Amino acid sequence: AQSVAQPEDQVNVAEGNPLTVKCTYSVSGNPYLFWYVQYPNRGLQFLLKYITGDNLVKGSYGFEAEFNKSQTSFHLKKPSALVSDSALYFCAVRGYSGNTPLVFGKGTRLSVIA
Amino acid sequence: GAGVSQSPSNKVTEKGKDVELRCDPISGHTALYWYRQSLGQGLEFLIYFQGNSAPDKSGLPSDRFSAERTGGSVSTLTIQRTQQEDSAVYLCASSYRGTSSYNEQFFGPGTRLTVL
Repeated sequence: AQSVAQPEDQVNVAEGNPLTVKCTYSVSGNPYLFWYVQYPNRGLQFLLKYITGDNLVKGSYGFEAEFNKSQTSFHLKKPSALVSDSALYFCAVRGYSGNTPLVFGKGTRLSVIA
Repeated sequence: GAGVSQSPSNKVTEKGKDVELRCDPISGHTALYWYRQSLGQGLEFLIYFQGNSAPDKSGLPSDRFSAERTGGSVSTLTIQRTQQEDSAVYLCASSYRGTSSYNEQFFGPGTRLTVL
């Protein structure tokens, strides 16, 4: 069975500092990994995905994520946080089979403090 | 083009009533998903439609929940005899060529259901 863990319910970071939101996964075979962001009263917005290739994936709004197969991790990062980055972030995984829906983590609330 | 739309945006109902939630996917997207987001929880998969194939209903929590997708486009999620634990935000998503695992899903704004 596939699963995703986001070990931190809340991450606080000062504006301008680098941020990391952690995600680890469990899946049979090669994983397809995704990050989504949810702003207040909004639906989920796609940020980035890892399918294959370079372990460092760049996405929207200056975010990037690093795939680490040995550690089964896919942490989300940004070099310099903005107050507007404050939101709920979800990591998701999908196995190789095309008929499986995404399995999401429980989310991490990011607060960027001015 | 328009994104995924859902209606109503908010629904308040009394325990025991039936409710219908609607989802309009992005035009041309063959796959449609329903998820539920409860307070403090992640997204819980409910049901998945892919083209004309039989839907994957493995996530539906009880037989009070059902969904249909007419003409391969609009979908309706129906909850019968609602219970207070059904209160949640119901999210719909669609993707192109759902059998390709790497295609991201595009989400609607959700319907917030409150059962009194």
